[in-house]
Amino acid sequence: AQSVTQLDSQVPVFEEAPVELRCNYSSSVSVYLFWYVQYPNQGLQLLLKYLSGSTLVKGINGFEAEFNKSQTSFHLRKPSVHISDTAEYFCAVSDGPSSASKIIFGSGTRLSIRP
Amino acid sequence: DTGVSQNPRHKITKRGQNVTFRCDPISEHNRLYWYRQTLGQGPEFLTYFQNEAQLEKSRLLSDRFSAERPKGSFSTLEIQRTEQGDSAMYLCASSREPGAGGTDTQYFGPGTRLTVL
Repeated sequence: AQSVTQLDSQVPVFEEAPVELRCNYSSSVSVYLFWYVQYPNQGLQLLLKYLSGSTLVKGINGFEAEFNKSQTSFHLRKPSVHISDTAEYFCAVSDGPSSASKIIFGSGTRLSIRP
Repeated sequence: DTGVSQNPRHKITKRGQNVTFRCDPISEHNRLYWYRQTLGQGPEFLTYFQNEAQLEKSRLLSDRFSAERPKGSFSTLEIQRTEQGDSAMYLCASSREPGAGGTDTQYFGPGTRLTVL
């Protein structure tokens, strides 16, 4: 069965500092991985996704993630965060052969940016 | 606005009452999904449709829950005899089916927050 584990429930960082949000996955088949962001009082928005190809995936708002098959990880990074990046971030895996399948989400990491 | 819309945005009800939520997907999307998100957790899959056919239901969807998509466009999620444990954010998403051309990414609506007193 597919699953994802987000290792940190909260990550506080200072503005303009780099950040890494950690995610490990468990899958017995081909992996389709996602990072979604949920801003306060808003719906989920796709940041980036990995379906195949290059293991370094670039997303919106300056975020990127690296798929590491040997470590079963898909960590999210940003070199310099802004106050507007304050949000909840969810790592997720598709339970099927595409994005249009049941998605299994992690428990989320709350990113708080300090000025 | 051509995104996924959900109504109502908030619903407060008393235990034992029935509630119904509506989701309007992006117009060219034939897949529609329902998820539930409780406080401090990630969304959990409930069910999804392709056109009017319900293709998969989670074990989370007890007999008190029913979802429909009668004409393959909007969908409704009904909860009968609500319980306090049903309090959560109910999220709807839509996507194209795989191979239909274009991205098959799921796009989420803003959610309906249910509070059962």
